[in-house]
Amino acid sequence: GDSVTQMEGPVTLSEEAFLTINCTYTATGYPSLFWYVQYPGEGLQLLLKATKADDKGSNKGFEATYRKETTSFHLEKGSVQVSDSAVYFCALSEAANNDMRFGAGTRLTVKP
Amino acid sequence: NAGVTQTPKFQVLKTGQSMTLQCAQDMNHNSMYWYRQDPGMGLRLIYYSASEGTTDKGEVPNGYNVSRLNKREFSLRLESAAPSQTSVYFCASRRGQGANEQFFGPGTRLTVL
Repeated sequence: GDSVTQMEGPVTLSEEAFLTINCTYTATGYPSLFWYVQYPGEGLQLLLKATKADDKGSNKGFEATYRKETTSFHLEKGSVQVSDSAVYFCALSEAANNDMRFGAGTRLTVKP
Repeated sequence: NAGVTQTPKFQVLKTGQSMTLQCAQDMNHNSMYWYRQDPGMGLRLIYYSASEGTTDKGEVPNGYNVSRLNKREFSLRLESAAPSQTSVYFCASRRGQGANEQFFGPGTRLTVL
């Protein structure tokens, strides 16, 4: 079945460092891909998404490109801030299915 | 718009007690979901409702029941709570399938003693 694998955390970076969180997926069809962010004590919020191969999703300085050839959707940010400290989830959704599959989450801590 | 709301925010139960977690959305979404979140395990789907009047089991349905009361509301019931059900529970809603994202509520933190 469909699944998402993302890099294990926790990830600790200094402010202004470059961020990459790896995400790969397994799917039978052509899924849409998502990154969600969860701040402490809150629910998940959509960060960005991409619906077809080679699409780039972007928001708040974060980017991810849908790579069909490598079945990947890595999250990147050029310069992280303390306020980016959160848990990040990669997810996929197939058009024919009603559910959404989530990765295990990666906790990011950014230190000043 | 309030989005997705959940009550209660926190709850402590004793083993064997029952309770219902409430969820409501005001975005006129067709689909609603219940997840649990445990450390290191991400989100696991308990039940979902693709539309009013339908419900389906997810990955971890044992020990839970759901009711899609109307298009807005989707409740989760624990008939006889167990310590293994200690978790954070999230409700989510979605307009349709495929490319549409899910919108999440703030969560209910449940402890079963």
